[in-house]
Amino acid sequence: ETGVTQTPRHLVMGMTNKKSLKCEQHLGHNAMYWYKQSAKKPLELMFVYNFKEQTENNSVPSRFSPECPNSSHLFLHLHTLQPEDSALYLCASSPGPGDNQPQHFGDGTRLSIL
Amino acid sequence: QKEVEQDPGPLSVPEGAIVSLNCTYSNSAFQYFMWYRQYSRKGPELLMYTYSSGNKEDGRFTAQVDKSSKYISLFIRDSQPSDSATYLCAISGGATNKLIFGTGTLLAVQP
Repeated sequence: ETGVTQTPRHLVMGMTNKKSLKCEQHLGHNAMYWYKQSAKKPLELMFVYNFKEQTENNSVPSRFSPECPNSSHLFLHLHTLQPEDSALYLCASSPGPGDNQPQHFGDGTRLSIL
Repeated sequence: QKEVEQDPGPLSVPEGAIVSLNCTYSNSAFQYFMWYRQYSRKGPELLMYTYSSGNKEDGRFTAQVDKSSKYISLFIRDSQPSDSATYLCAISGGATNKLIFGTGTLLAVQP
């Protein structure tokens, strides 16, 4: 398997549920990212990890909790979400953290909050 | 002022047409410019990557950067229905290592 793989592809959850999104990259990259994509808005960067260490938290509410156990895996733990959190959540990776490093994306998890 | 501006479209063209997609940006320190293509129900796919000013060609696609005008373009020659997708520009450089994305332009190529 190659590229960036995200599971599940679709998730419907209630506001009181707890769930996790998973991302795995097979590109040998050292940086991983979570983005939120909402209709008619630019991609919003949420978190950045470089060599398993979190280097960026873009003022994301605490109901989103990331975890990066190694350079190949990234999780986003979700709890007590709000309806406005419904969106496409994209994971990306890049060779390193520099600004000249193009990012490669997975196909996302479509999240719907009831 | 937004850091990156992109017309959301939709843009509808007949098959075989030349398509021009554009973004403007505000920070002159930006120096890395990318175009991503995103099909429905898929993630963004890196299409073109350029550094500084000038042109870069890859098959039917040409990316153009004009740093003096803070303007970037993606041209698609002989457009095909399979080119129908949302095209996102992304820019980085300067004091931040983040990618700044445009809102995306939805393109429909009619057979």
